[in-house]
Amino acid sequence: QVQLVESGGGVVQPGRSLRLSCAASGFTFSNYAMHWVRQAPGKGLEWVAVMSYDKKNEYFADSVKGRFTISRDNSKNTLYLQMNSLRTDDTAIYCCARGVPPANWYFDLWGRGTLVTVSS
Amino acid sequence: EIVLTQSPGTLSLSPGERATLSCRASQSVISSHLAWYQQKPGQAPRLLISGASTRAPGIPDRFSGSGSGTDFSLTISRLEPEDFAVYYCQQYGSSPPGSTFGPGTKVDIK
Repeated sequence: QVQLVESGGGVVQPGRSLRLSCAASGFTFSNYAMHWVRQAPGKGLEWVAVMSYDKKNEYFADSVKGRFTISRDNSKNTLYLQMNSLRTDDTAIYCCARGVPPANWYFDLWGRGTLVTVSS
Repeated sequence: EIVLTQSPGTLSLSPGERATLSCRASQSVISSHLAWYQQKPGQAPRLLISGASTRAPGIPDRFSGSGSGTDFSLTISRLEPEDFAVYYCQQYGSSPPGSTFGPGTKVDIK
């Protein structure tokens, strides 16, 4: 079954860290660029970060640059998002999404997301 | 950063009617870099259109996209009950690499 399943969300205090995981199955994970996209409760979509299939390139939204890092383990079919110095406005559902080749910037497969709540 | 504005915010229509959704960019967007998604409550978004006008696999032909430069649109020719949802446009750029979404248009039942 082709799917993405996120985990690692929870409630965290401002300034603390959290690491999210996205487990892929049913397709050749190592062939695809992978993204993180977030959605604050009741709000729209915000692209967060991307890592290329070969880990050579990574890019971040300005809102998370310098605080978040992205990584992947192609042997484990897993994408990660390390979130440091968390702020209350980082509260959102975080989804991983697969980039459609060759552009890699359209998302044809999404996970259901994991909720991150930043609150004191 | 390119800002996308979608209008209207909410579109109230009846099944069988035609829906036209607008997406306007703060600066010119390469047409091949514009997409549309559908999101229903509690579900992940679904890719409808890429390259401004190319339907994704499995998307019914009642969905069509058009536009260029700063003005793009998504048209649903005859609304089916399952089409009532929120629709987002998305663009991506290469200098610097990144992507933005519009705020969404909600299509609800009149």
